[in-house]
Amino acid sequence: GAGVSQSPSNKVTEKGKDVELRCDPISGHTALYWYRQSLGQGLEFLIYFQGNSAPDKSGLPSDRFSAERTGGSVSTLTIQRTQQEDSAVYLCASSLLGPGTEAFFGQGTRLTVV
Amino acid sequence: TQLLEQSPQFLSIQEGENLTVYCNSSSVFSSLQWYRQEPGEGPVLLVTVVTGGEVKKLKRLTFQFGDARKDSSLHITAAQPGDTGLYLCAALTTDSWGKLQFGAGTQVVVTP
Repeated sequence: GAGVSQSPSNKVTEKGKDVELRCDPISGHTALYWYRQSLGQGLEFLIYFQGNSAPDKSGLPSDRFSAERTGGSVSTLTIQRTQQEDSAVYLCASSLLGPGTEAFFGQGTRLTVV
Repeated sequence: TQLLEQSPQFLSIQEGENLTVYCNSSSVFSSLQWYRQEPGEGPVLLVTVVTGGEVKKLKRLTFQFGDARKDSSLHITAAQPGDTGLYLCAALTTDSWGKLQFGAGTQVVVTP
């Protein structure tokens, strides 16, 4: 497809389980972002990948959160030992040249931890 | 502490009225963007401003970037129900290259 694709669109998991969220950015986009959005709130920065540079992980809320980007394309956000406060919509975005250029967002993954 | 403060948090108006939402910071921005987000969707870019004092118009939407590049406003003239959504500002500061940060957003509801 032409846009940013995220999967799954919805995920319900039990507290303590691990989850993996996937993002397929727009082909050719060098920058990839992960954000978290709680109900009715703005976007909380999690992590940023730019080309082959080391990612900016400064927004990851705890060491239970990690992300990787393989081959400069697909990215996976992993949350280990999920907690109820992890429940949110996780949004992925990509942009062609990096910050300041238009970020294209996926529809997000709604994560519910029960 | 939120880098970008947006106000108001919520705005409900009648069709045909005008509205203004604000985005402020104590930091200097290298660039600032406005996005609109509808329920169940990701944000979509409306505009990018980079020059202090810049004014951009997009149909009934007018965007201003403060002279000092610390604040911005979005003005909608003769609002329509299709303008309903969460309006988010996002910015790069001069010392946070790479970290595109978002404000908490202004929820706008335009009723017929």
